[in-house]
Amino acid sequence: EPEVTQTPSHQVTQMGQEVILRCVPISNHLYFYWYRQILGQKVEFLVSFYNNEISEKSEIFDDQFSVERPDGSNFTLKIRSTKLEDSAMYFCASSVDRGAGELFFGEGSRLTVL
Amino acid sequence: AQSVSQHNHHVILSEAASLELGCNYSYGGTVNLFWYVQYPGQHLQLLLKYFSGDPLVKGIKGFEAEFIKSKFSFNLRKPSVQWSDTAEYFCAVTGRGSQGNLIFGKGTKLSVKP
Repeated sequence: EPEVTQTPSHQVTQMGQEVILRCVPISNHLYFYWYRQILGQKVEFLVSFYNNEISEKSEIFDDQFSVERPDGSNFTLKIRSTKLEDSAMYFCASSVDRGAGELFFGEGSRLTVL
Repeated sequence: AQSVSQHNHHVILSEAASLELGCNYSYGGTVNLFWYVQYPGQHLQLLLKYFSGDPLVKGIKGFEAEFIKSKFSFNLRKPSVQWSDTAEYFCAVTGRGSQGNLIFGKGTKLSVKP
């Protein structure tokens, strides 16, 4: 069964450092997403991406965040200067259709900011 | 404000017991509703979804959910749980025309005792 893969599974970084989280969506999917879950809190939408541009983003997705699809397979989330409160599990997802369809999630990348 | 409430944080059942997990949402406009499940150590995966039509929807593994518009609810049910249903269950909502901005509840952890 095709799946969304994410790397790294866990990253520890110092506050102020740049972090790139990588995702390989399912190959025939056209819509890509990042969500995050701070420990003990809800899974929160960050951004959706289609046709090489952001479709929608939340208030969380400020100037410190950016997304990119640098080649035909990867979808990355960059946090430019990490803060302690960026510590969370970050989930990538992809879908064939727009948000009304099924989202397929990766297993997540745990980011710990010290 | 748009939100999803899941009433139970942790539910413990014995095998063969019936399950009902509550979900209420607050969202202006027409909604699409989802239940996702996360088995231990695995990724979020879709259990079932409601877009329109019959408000009683059936999903995988014997789960079903009923959309009651007047109550803004989308409760998940299963008549007889198994040990393998031990997982965390997330209710989510999005609006028609959304670009994938799923709003999740906090999740309900289900533990099934063999």
